Amino acid sequence: EPEVTQTPSHQVTQMGQEVILRCVPISNHLYFYWYRQILGQKVEFLVSFYNNEISEKSEIFDDQFSVERPDGSNFTLKIRSTKLEDSAMYFCASSPGTGVRQPQHFGDGTRLSIL
Amino acid sequence: LAKTTQPISMDSYEGQEVNITCSHNNIATNDYITWYQQFPSQGPRFIIQGYKTKVTNEVASLFIPADRKSSTLSLPRVSLSDTAVYYCLVGDMGGYQKVTFGTGTKLQVIP
Repeated sequence: EPEVTQTPSHQVTQMGQEVILRCVPISNHLYFYWYRQILGQKVEFLVSFYNNEISEKSEIFDDQFSVERPDGSNFTLKIRSTKLEDSAMYFCASSPGTGVRQPQHFGDGTRLSIL
Repeated sequence: LAKTTQPISMDSYEGQEVNITCSHNNIATNDYITWYQQFPSQGPRFIIQGYKTKVTNEVASLFIPADRKSSTLSLPRVSLSDTAVYYCLVGDMGGYQKVTFGTGTKLQVIP
């Protein structure tokens, strides 16, 4: 079964540094998402992306965050100047379309640790 | 998305059938019911989705009564590897693009 793959599995970064998290969505999917989960808390929506632009974003997704689909396969999340509170698991997801009948498929995440 | 209520945690012995019930009193006509499973240190995984009556796949069954104000996820003969958090989500076909996760039900399977 096709999978969403994320790299790296664990990223350790100094506070204030830039970090890029990478994702390869399922190949025929059109919609892409980033979520995060702080340890012990709920999975939170960050952003959704379609047709090379952001379609929805949460209040968490401020100016420090950006997303990009640099080629036909990768989908990246960039945090420009990391803060301690950015430490979390970051999950990428993709779906063939919007709507409940098109469930999102999640990767296994990147654990981001900010020192 | 319709608000959902599910137990915070459940314990079960290996080999037993587990039923997790989710209440969604404000479910709308176009809403579907979707369940995800999340293992520790992994991403949520889609398990099953339904609109009414019963849906079954190789992993679970989903029972939805006629009034659709609740649903029950049934896991047959659980094993230790079914220990996970299970999320009930309710949303319409018109398309939400984001999934809003609650706290889910933490299922602990005991040997």
